[in-house]
Amino acid sequence: GQQVMQIPQYQHVQEGEDFTTYCNSSTTLSNIQWYKQRPGGHPVFLIQLVKSGEVKKQKRLTFQFGEAKKNSSLHITATQTTDVGTYFCAGLRSNDYKLSFGAGTTVTVRA
Amino acid sequence: EAGVVQSPRYKIIEKKQPVAFWCNPISGHNTLYWYLQNLGQGPELLIRYENEEAVDDSQLPKDRFSAERLKGVDSTLKIQPAELGDSAVYLCASSLGIRGGAPYNEQFFGPGTRLTVL
Repeated sequence: GQQVMQIPQYQHVQEGEDFTTYCNSSTTLSNIQWYKQRPGGHPVFLIQLVKSGEVKKQKRLTFQFGEAKKNSSLHITATQTTDVGTYFCAGLRSNDYKLSFGAGTTVTVRA
Repeated sequence: EAGVVQSPRYKIIEKKQPVAFWCNPISGHNTLYWYLQNLGQGPELLIRYENEEAVDDSQLPKDRFSAERLKGVDSTLKIQPAELGDSAVYLCASSLGIRGGAPYNEQFFGPGTRLTVL
């Protein structure tokens, strides 16, 4: 089962709007990765966060790692139709180096 | 550069039959992963290899699943016998491994094998 929880499970967004998806772990993480999976495709790596409080940006995507290294968020501004897909976070537990993927946030965009 | 290659892309079998999946990782990637992905879920790790050594197979159902990576390059995942509940997408991924940084650094996924057990 999933050790890392993601919310929301589904996100329906009007084109041009912003949204945020969240990832939460009950245990401290060594790092967290984010992947995007387009419909019918396979997960594609987006970014890895390692440091407490780290913030990284990729164009319209902003990734943040919490201070306690137990949660993370992905914020997308000015959503476009190309943002459609499922976004997964994957957390690496500090104590045993077990990697767990969340169930993902599936994003649909209304033009 | 070629990505992770998997075959077959699709497989339909009857329950109790054996099935095998093949994966060729990106050249130079020491770490290879097999995942199972059910519809609407994230990938779940089955086994991780560092070169030819299985360093994490704790989530591999060993009564029916087996895997090998004999020369530390390509890998095979086998199910025998298959059950209805094994229907899923089986993903292979690879990464640089320890020398690329922390374990589980950036993973490159293959297209997956969609297994249907009837």
